[in-house]
Amino acid sequence: EVQLVQSGAEVEKPGESLKISCKGSGYSFASSWIGWVRQMPGKGLEFMGSIYPGDSDIRYSPSFQGQVTISADKSINTAYLQWRSLKASDTAMYYCARGGSYSPWRPLDIWGQGTMVTVSS
Amino acid sequence: DIQMTQSPSTLSASVGDRVTITCRASQSISSWLAWYQQKPGKAPKLLIYKASSLESGVPSRFSGSGSGTEFTLTISSLQSDDFATYYCQQYNSYSHFGPGTKVDIK
Repeated sequence: EVQLVQSGAEVEKPGESLKISCKGSGYSFASSWIGWVRQMPGKGLEFMGSIYPGDSDIRYSPSFQGQVTISADKSINTAYLQWRSLKASDTAMYYCARGGSYSPWRPLDIWGQGTMVTVSS
Repeated sequence: DIQMTQSPSTLSASVGDRVTITCRASQSISSWLAWYQQKPGKAPKLLIYKASSLESGVPSRFSGSGSGTEFTLTISSLQSDDFATYYCQQYNSYSHFGPGTKVDIK
C-alpha cells in the first residue's frame, strides 16, 4: 500500500524549535516530490513547498521562504519540516503529500494523516 | 502571485442534486488545475487533475472542465458521501489553493 505516515501531534512554547516527519512506503520515495501543506484552524490549504528526495532539490512558496526548512533523508524514506523558532501563528495542521516526478508544484495524490502543531505559552 | 477564488463559498444541496462549483484564476493557468475534497478531520483527497482528468478510483459523477482562468467542478448527482469542502489548486506557477467551497445538507 502506498502511504505517507506523519509523526504525532506536538505542543510547543513560542521560541522553541521543532522538526516533524513524514515517512513514505509502498513506492519509490526518492522519485516523487513531497509537498508540505499548512491548514490553520478553520481555514483553507496553503502550499508551503516541496522537496525531491532523490537529490534534495527544495522549492519554497514565496510566503514560506525563510520561515521553515524542508529536508529529506532518502535512505530512510523520510521528509521533514522544521522550525527554528516557533510562533503562536504556526499553530496549524501540517500535511505532507506526494506530488509528481518532474515538477515541485504538481497535484498531490497521496496524503499523510497530518501533524497538528500547537504553539502556546 | 496567482490568486484563486471560488464560488460559492457555501452551497446547500440535497442528495441527487447536480452541483457546480466555480474556480477562477487571476491570470491564465492553461489547464493546470486540480480539485480536492476534504472532510472534517481528514486529509484532502485528489479528485481531478489537469482540469478535467479524473483521478483513479474517483467516482464518475465527479467531472471537471475549463481552461485559462475559469474552471468548474460538477457533481452530477450528489451522494451523502459528497458533503465536504472542495478546493481548487493551480499549479501553473508555484501552487496556490482556492479558499474552498463547503457543500452542506439543505
